[in-house]
Formats: sequence, structure tokens, C-alpha cells
Amino acid sequence: QVQLQESGPGLVKPSETLSLTCTVSDGSIRNYYWSWIRQPPGKGLEWIGYMFYTGSTFHNPSLRSRVTMSVDTSKNQISLKLSSVTAADTAVYYCASYNSDSYGFDSWGQGALVTVSS
Amino acid sequence: DIQMTQSPSSLSASVGDRVTITCRASQDVNSYLNWYQQKPGKPPKLLIFGASSLQSGVPSRFRGSGSGTDFTLTVTSLQPEDFATYYCQQSYSTPRTFGQGTKVEIK
Repeated sequence: QVQLQESGPGLVKPSETLSLTCTVSDGSIRNYYWSWIRQPPGKGLEWIGYMFYTGSTFHNPSLRSRVTMSVDTSKNQISLKLSSVTAADTAVYYCASYNSDSYGFDSWGQGALVTVSS
Repeated sequence: DIQMTQSPSSLSASVGDRVTITCRASQDVNSYLNWYQQKPGKPPKLLIFGASSLQSGVPSRFRGSGSGTDFTLTVTSLQPEDFATYYCQQSYSTPRTFGQGTKVEIK
């Protein structure tokens, strides 16, 4: 299974843009759909979206206008940008591989806590 | 969006107990239903995919069943390492959606 590691600022000011990177190791970034999923503290899981290395993306309509996902195949990295953040965007953000055979999220990063606060 | 509703929201059980968690979808998701286990401070772990297929490396005491709108996750003999929160998730349509979670606690 691939190994995933999220990185990025842990604190973002309201109205600014949250930026996270997920580095993929022990596997090719071309073999999976790559997803972002978030979890507010003490709450459940929310799917943000996923993308294929070709650039094909699918976003949650609840966030679509604020979400940008991209892939850098040369670095084996995927990235997430979420604009105009508010306190409601405070969460642990996970990157995960979406297996198109099982239709499940089968490998996950450890997660990155992002707090939105001034 | 397809709404996923789990019951109960929490339960208390003892080691060795048989535990069943239910997940209901707001519309037919065929068998595109997955189950995850999450322990505090850790990411979720895929247990069951396709409603009833065991993910590689997952103990056989975890069993999934159902199709359409009603699904169950059963742990046939609860072990100490099984105390966690469990989530169902549908992959029938986008946006992918999760249930609210069922926390399994020690009695």
C-alpha cells in the first residue's frame, strides 16, 4: 500500500486560503484517484473531493467553489487549496487513496490539523 | 446527496460480545457500501468494501452484509483492540458521504 503524508500550515486566518500538500511514497501517483477528506474536532468525516493524475476532478458541491485540487507527478504530490476559510473549516484534513476496484478509501495519511483563527 | 444514517450512535459492550451496527442509506446504493474503523488520533481504516468484502489484513470476525439501503457491520467476538468508532460510507454517487459514526465503548 502507498504511504501518504500531509503537510502545511497548522494555523490559517479567517478569509485566507488553506493550503495542504500530500506526498505519496511506495507507489505511483498514476495508479489511484487521490482524495481529501476532513474531520472537524470531535465530529464525523466529510469528503472534499478527489482527482486523478490527469487532472480530472470531482468536488463536493458544498465546497466546490472554494476548492482547488492539483497533482504534481514529478514530485509525487497532490495538493489542496480551500479559499475564504472560516472557523467552520477547522478540521483534521486527510489525504487518502481511492481504489477504483474496491470503491473504498484504502490508504490514509496521518492527517493535518488546520485551525482557522485570527 | 445520499444521506447515511447509522444506529446506534454509541454502544457499550464487553470483550467476547457479538456487536451489530446498522447503516441506512437515503436511497439505493446497490452494494457500494464501505465500513471504516477509527481509533482516537488515528486515520480511519478500511474494513469492509462492497458491503461484504473483507479488506486485506482485516480479521475475519468483522462481517458486512446488506444491499440497497440497509446494511450491517457485525463483529462476531469483540476484542480489546476493536473499541473504536465505526463509519459507513457510500461510493454509489458523488458526493461520497459517510454516516455519523458509531462509537463502541467498553462496558
